[in-house]
Amino acid sequence: GAGVSQSPRYKVAKRGQDVALRCDPISGHVSLFWYQQALGQGPEFLTYFQNEAQLDKSGLPSDRFFAERPEGSVSTLKIQRTQQEDSAVYLCASSPWRVSNTEAFFGQGTRLTVV
Amino acid sequence: DAKTTQPNSMESNEEEPVHLPCNHSTISGTDYIHWYRQLPSQGPEYVIHGLTSNVNNRMASLAIAEDRKSSTLILHRATLRDAAVYYCIYKIQGAQKLVFGQGTRLTINP
Repeated sequence: GAGVSQSPRYKVAKRGQDVALRCDPISGHVSLFWYQQALGQGPEFLTYFQNEAQLDKSGLPSDRFFAERPEGSVSTLKIQRTQQEDSAVYLCASSPWRVSNTEAFFGQGTRLTVV
Repeated sequence: DAKTTQPNSMESNEEEPVHLPCNHSTISGTDYIHWYRQLPSQGPEYVIHGLTSNVNNRMASLAIAEDRKSSTLILHRATLRDAAVYYCIYKIQGAQKLVFGQGTRLTINP
Protein backbone atom coordinates (compact mmCIF):
# COMPACT_ATOMS: atom_id res chain seq x y z
CA GLY A 1 0.00 0.00 0.00
CA ALA A 2 0.98 3.61 -0.43
CA GLY A 3 0.29 4.88 3.06
CA VAL A 4 1.41 4.29 6.64
CA SER A 5 0.05 0.98 7.88
CA GLN A 6 -0.59 0.15 11.52
CA SER A 7 -1.56 -3.15 13.06
CA PRO A 8 -3.61 -4.27 14.75
CA ARG A 9 -6.36 -1.69 14.25
CA TYR A 10 -7.93 -2.65 17.56
CA LYS A 11 -6.42 -4.30 20.60
CA VAL A 12 -8.08 -5.25 23.85
CA ALA A 13 -5.65 -6.08 26.65
CA LYS A 14 -6.22 -7.18 30.21
CA ARG A 15 -4.60 -4.97 32.80
CA GLY A 16 -1.07 -6.14 33.38
CA GLN A 17 -0.67 -7.67 29.93
CA ASP A 18 2.14 -6.62 27.55
CA VAL A 19 1.21 -5.34 24.08
CA ALA A 20 3.13 -4.64 20.87
CA LEU A 21 1.86 -2.24 18.24
CA ARG A 22 3.36 -2.25 14.76
CA CYS A 23 3.93 0.55 12.29
CA ASP A 24 4.92 0.13 8.64
CA PRO A 25 5.94 3.60 7.40
CA ILE A 26 5.96 4.68 3.79
CA SER A 27 8.93 3.07 2.08
CA GLY A 28 12.05 5.23 2.17
CA HIS A 29 10.78 7.63 4.82
CA VAL A 30 13.57 8.68 7.14
CA SER A 31 11.53 10.05 10.03
CA LEU A 32 9.05 8.08 12.12
CA PHE A 33 6.90 9.34 14.99
CA TRP A 34 4.61 7.78 17.57
CA TYR A 35 1.74 9.72 19.12
CA GLN A 36 -0.86 8.87 21.75
CA GLN A 37 -4.39 10.26 21.42
CA ALA A 38 -6.80 10.05 24.33
CA LEU A 39 -10.53 10.32 23.64
CA GLY A 40 -11.51 13.89 22.73
CA GLN A 41 -7.92 15.18 22.85
CA GLY A 42 -5.33 16.08 20.26
CA PRO A 43 -2.47 13.66 19.59
CA GLU A 44 0.44 13.84 22.04
CA PHE A 45 3.99 13.17 20.94
CA LEU A 46 5.65 10.05 22.33
CA THR A 47 8.88 9.46 20.41
CA TYR A 48 10.81 10.14 17.20
CA PHE A 49 13.18 8.07 15.07
CA GLN A 50 15.51 9.19 12.34
CA ASN A 51 16.25 5.96 10.48
CA GLU A 52 17.08 3.49 13.26
CA ALA A 53 18.18 6.11 15.79
CA GLN A 54 15.70 7.12 18.46
CA LEU A 55 16.50 10.83 18.74
CA ASP A 56 13.70 11.95 21.01
CA LYS A 57 11.79 9.89 23.55
CA SER A 58 10.78 12.76 25.77
CA GLY A 59 7.06 12.02 25.41
CA LEU A 60 7.10 8.43 26.60
CA PRO A 61 4.97 8.56 29.77
CA SER A 62 6.82 5.90 31.75
CA ASP A 63 9.48 3.23 31.51
CA ARG A 64 6.71 0.77 30.65
CA PHE A 65 6.70 2.28 27.16
CA PHE A 66 9.42 1.24 24.76
CA ALA A 67 9.81 1.83 21.01
CA GLU A 68 12.24 0.43 18.49
CA ARG A 69 13.02 0.66 14.78
CA PRO A 70 15.97 -1.70 14.40
CA GLU A 71 16.43 -1.57 10.62
CA GLY A 72 15.19 1.94 10.01
CA SER A 73 11.86 0.90 8.53
CA VAL A 74 9.21 -0.97 10.56
CA SER A 75 8.74 0.24 14.12
CA THR A 76 7.19 -1.37 17.18
CA LEU A 77 5.77 0.37 20.22
CA LYS A 78 5.70 -1.91 23.24
CA ILE A 79 3.76 -1.27 26.41
CA GLN A 80 4.53 -3.48 29.37
CA ARG A 81 2.13 -4.22 32.22
CA THR A 82 -0.68 -2.21 30.64
CA GLN A 83 -2.86 -0.04 32.83
CA GLN A 84 -6.28 1.46 32.22
CA GLU A 85 -4.83 4.92 31.62
CA ASP A 86 -2.94 3.49 28.63
CA SER A 87 -6.26 3.16 26.79
CA ALA A 88 -5.96 5.45 23.76
CA VAL A 89 -5.40 5.50 20.03
CA TYR A 90 -1.73 5.13 19.15
CA LEU A 91 -0.80 6.89 15.92
CA CYS A 92 2.29 6.40 13.82
CA ALA A 93 3.49 8.97 11.29
CA SER A 94 6.36 9.06 8.83
CA SER A 95 8.04 11.82 6.89
CA PRO A 96 10.47 11.63 3.98
CA TRP A 97 13.11 14.05 5.21
CA ARG A 98 15.07 15.05 8.25
CA VAL A 99 14.23 18.71 7.90
CA SER A 100 11.31 19.90 9.94
CA ASN A 101 9.11 21.60 7.40
CA THR A 102 7.63 18.81 5.36
CA GLU A 103 4.36 17.05 5.83
CA ALA A 104 3.95 14.01 8.03
CA PHE A 105 1.83 11.08 6.86
CA PHE A 106 -0.23 9.41 9.56
CA GLY A 107 -1.59 5.90 9.80
CA GLN A 108 -5.13 5.16 10.93
CA GLY A 109 -3.94 4.26 14.40
CA THR A 110 -4.32 1.35 16.79
CA ARG A 111 -7.10 1.70 19.33
CA LEU A 112 -5.93 0.10 22.59
CA THR A 113 -8.48 -0.68 25.27
CA VAL A 114 -7.20 -1.94 28.61
CA VAL A 115 -9.84 -3.75 30.67
CA ASP B 1 6.19 23.59 23.68
CA ALA B 2 4.76 25.70 20.87
CA LYS B 3 1.28 26.89 21.85
CA THR B 4 -1.59 27.87 19.57
CA THR B 5 -5.13 28.99 20.41
CA GLN B 6 -8.15 27.96 18.35
CA PRO B 7 -11.91 28.08 18.90
CA ASN B 8 -13.23 24.76 20.19
CA SER B 9 -15.88 24.49 17.50
CA MET B 10 -17.26 26.17 14.41
CA GLU B 11 -20.19 25.54 12.14
CA SER B 12 -20.76 26.38 8.50
CA ASN B 13 -22.99 25.49 5.60
CA GLU B 14 -22.19 23.36 2.61
CA GLU B 15 -20.76 25.22 -0.40
CA GLU B 16 -19.92 28.29 1.68
CA PRO B 17 -16.40 29.48 2.55
CA VAL B 18 -15.03 28.70 6.00
CA HIS B 19 -12.41 30.74 7.84
CA LEU B 20 -10.71 28.93 10.69
CA PRO B 21 -8.66 31.25 12.92
CA CYS B 22 -5.56 30.48 14.95
CA ASN B 23 -3.45 32.58 17.32
CA HIS B 24 0.23 31.81 17.80
CA SER B 25 1.56 34.84 19.64
CA THR B 26 4.82 33.18 20.76
CA ILE B 27 5.91 32.18 17.27
CA SER B 28 9.39 33.21 16.19
CA GLY B 29 10.50 34.37 12.78
CA THR B 30 11.70 31.00 11.53
CA ASP B 31 8.86 28.78 12.76
CA TYR B 32 6.50 27.41 10.12
CA ILE B 33 2.74 27.26 10.60
CA HIS B 34 1.15 23.90 9.78
CA TRP B 35 -2.46 22.84 9.55
CA TYR B 36 -3.66 19.26 9.83
CA ARG B 37 -7.16 17.87 9.99
CA GLN B 38 -8.54 14.69 11.44
CA LEU B 39 -11.65 13.04 10.08
CA PRO B 40 -13.59 10.67 12.37
CA SER B 41 -11.72 7.41 13.03
CA GLN B 42 -8.77 8.50 10.89
CA GLY B 43 -5.25 9.69 11.58
CA PRO B 44 -4.46 13.38 11.05
CA GLU B 45 -4.05 14.50 7.46
CA TYR B 46 -1.78 17.32 6.27
CA VAL B 47 -3.61 20.33 4.88
CA ILE B 48 -1.12 23.14 4.29
CA HIS B 49 1.87 24.97 5.76
CA GLY B 50 3.56 28.34 5.35
CA LEU B 51 6.09 30.78 6.78
CA THR B 52 5.29 34.38 5.90
CA SER B 53 3.34 34.85 2.71
CA ASN B 54 -0.07 33.43 1.97
CA VAL B 55 -0.16 29.91 0.56
CA ASN B 56 -2.62 28.08 -1.65
CA ASN B 57 -3.01 24.43 -2.55
CA ARG B 58 -5.78 22.22 -3.86
CA MET B 59 -7.26 21.74 -0.40
CA ALA B 60 -7.17 25.19 1.13
CA SER B 61 -5.53 28.60 1.49
CA LEU B 62 -3.49 29.85 4.41
CA ALA B 63 -3.53 33.54 5.22
CA ILE B 64 -0.78 34.62 7.61
CA ALA B 65 -0.95 37.95 9.44
CA GLU B 66 1.83 40.41 8.80
CA ASP B 67 3.11 40.11 12.38
CA ARG B 68 2.78 36.30 12.08
CA LYS B 69 0.99 36.06 15.42
CA SER B 70 -2.14 34.71 13.83
CA SER B 71 -3.24 32.85 10.74
CA THR B 72 -6.45 31.73 9.07
CA LEU B 73 -7.15 28.53 7.20
CA ILE B 74 -9.63 29.12 4.40
CA LEU B 75 -11.75 26.40 2.86
CA HIS B 76 -13.18 28.09 -0.21
CA ARG B 77 -16.24 25.95 -0.67
CA ALA B 78 -16.96 23.57 2.18
CA THR B 79 -18.34 20.11 1.53
CA LEU B 80 -19.73 17.59 4.01
CA ARG B 81 -16.42 15.72 3.74
CA ASP B 82 -14.63 18.71 5.26
CA ALA B 83 -16.26 18.03 8.64
CA ALA B 84 -13.28 17.27 10.87
CA VAL B 85 -11.12 18.54 13.71
CA TYR B 86 -8.65 21.10 12.35
CA TYR B 87 -5.33 21.55 14.13
CA CYS B 88 -3.13 24.63 13.81
CA ILE B 89 0.48 23.90 14.77
CA TYR B 90 3.71 25.79 14.59
CA LYS B 91 6.92 23.91 14.39
CA ILE B 92 9.88 25.32 16.25
CA GLN B 93 12.80 25.45 13.87
CA GLY B 94 14.95 22.37 14.15
CA ALA B 95 12.27 20.46 16.01
CA GLN B 96 10.89 17.38 14.36
CA LYS B 97 7.74 16.78 16.36
CA LEU B 98 4.34 18.33 15.81
CA VAL B 99 2.72 19.68 18.98
CA PHE B 100 -1.05 19.38 18.65
CA GLY B 101 -3.53 21.43 20.66
CA GLN B 102 -7.24 20.72 21.04
CA GLY B 103 -8.09 21.89 17.54
CA THR B 104 -11.34 23.26 16.13
CA ARG B 105 -14.19 20.84 15.48
CA LEU B 106 -15.80 21.97 12.21
CA THR B 107 -19.38 20.96 11.51
CA ILE B 108 -20.77 21.39 7.99
CA ASN B 109 -24.52 21.65 7.61
CA PRO B 110 -26.15 20.36 4.40
